[in-house]
Amino acid sequence: EDQVTQSPEALRLQEGESSSLNCSYTVSGLRGLFWYRQDPGKGPEFLFTLYSAGEEKEKERLKATLTKKESFLHITAPKPEDSATYLCAGNSGGSNYKLTFGKGTLLTVNP
Amino acid sequence: DAGVTQSPTHLIKTRGQHVTLRCSPISGHKSVSWYQQVLGQGPQFIFQYYEKEERGRGNFPDRFSARQFPNYSSELNVNALLLGDSALYLCASSLDRDGYTFGSGTRLTVV
Repeated sequence: EDQVTQSPEALRLQEGESSSLNCSYTVSGLRGLFWYRQDPGKGPEFLFTLYSAGEEKEKERLKATLTKKESFLHITAPKPEDSATYLCAGNSGGSNYKLTFGKGTLLTVNP
Repeated sequence: DAGVTQSPTHLIKTRGQHVTLRCSPISGHKSVSWYQQVLGQGPQFIFQYYEKEERGRGNFPDRFSARQFPNYSSELNVNALLLGDSALYLCASSLDRDGYTFGSGTRLTVV
């Protein structure tokens, strides 16, 4: 059974204090590792898709990386507006488009 | 460009009742997926439809059903509601495996 585990469950940072979020996955025939941002009461907002080990993608203060077992979301010099829940999801091979999500990391950035 | 549209945004139902949730995908997207997100958890896959055919089903009871219409919009139906069905129901549309855009969701409360 596909599984995605995120750590830590919650992370509190001071503005400007860089850190990383972890996503460990066991997804058969992984065909895409996704990162989403979710604000309270809203739907997930797409950030990145990574396909192969060694791949990196960047967007503003965020950089996502992928290995064969894990993905990291690095946050450089975060701002209070980066506060949100960050979700990681794996898409397995096969005929369906199912995403298997982790529970998310709740990030709080204090000014 | 209109994103994924879900209706209603909120609703309250009584145990044992039936509910229908609606989703309009992004124009040109032929695949629609439904997810259930309980507070504090990541989204869980319920169904995926592509070109009006069911392509995948998650581990949910038969009380949950869905369909996709010729215009690619979709409905999620839940019969005999239980308190545990209270959640945020998310719809995602995609053109292919590489991009899943979520709507803002329908918040269902069962009392």
